[in-house]
Amino acid sequence: NAGVTQTPKFQVLKTGQSMTLQCAQDMNHEYMSWYRQDPGMGLRLIHYSVGAGITDQGEVPNGYNVSRSTTEDFPLRLLLAAPSQTSVYFCASRTSQGYTEAFFGQGTRLTVV
Amino acid sequence: AQSVSQHNHHVILSEAASLELGCNYSYGGTVNLFWYVQYPGQHLQLLLKYFSGDPLVKGIKGFEAEFIKSKFSFNLRKPSVQWSDTAEYFCAGGNTGFQKLVFGTGTRLLVSP
Repeated sequence: NAGVTQTPKFQVLKTGQSMTLQCAQDMNHEYMSWYRQDPGMGLRLIHYSVGAGITDQGEVPNGYNVSRSTTEDFPLRLLLAAPSQTSVYFCASRTSQGYTEAFFGQGTRLTVV
Repeated sequence: AQSVSQHNHHVILSEAASLELGCNYSYGGTVNLFWYVQYPGQHLQLLLKYFSGDPLVKGIKGFEAEFIKSKFSFNLRKPSVQWSDTAEYFCAGGNTGFQKLVFGTGTRLLVSP
């Protein structure tokens, strides 16, 4: 019963490096989202997707790219990492059917030095 | 724009004290509201949710919340807190058919034994 799986759990990057945060869900959920969590700011939406091939920007999309080629996977790409992107990143998924909550992954703690 | 606000950023209580955490939302129409909890080092877990019907919602671990439409509020309550309730609590909301959630900035609760 995996739910939402994020990898890696921890990552340290140097400024200017690129990387991809992985997110996979096995619940056949249509909706997937990426949030970043910073102290005193709660969770802010970076990008979201309502289905394979469809993505849209959230509140804080700059510096991040996403794609959704399959229902299961929703990777988040940092093209040129900056110290301001040091944060904890959470992926979430939710079904489009009925009234249900979003399910969250365990998070990725990213430090950009 | 949709927004969710939480009034208390830090709350310190002794065990057995009663808890009430405030949450207000800014948008109209049919709203769906949630309280999530994040224990230290863990991901977000759902405490309770409101979609429609009885405005008093009961969740896990003895938590409840009351939806008051006239006040745009969805406050979280617990009659008697325990040390294990030490965590950060997030209120979140979305409109019916929502693809994304809007989160409050969170409330850090510390319960001293």
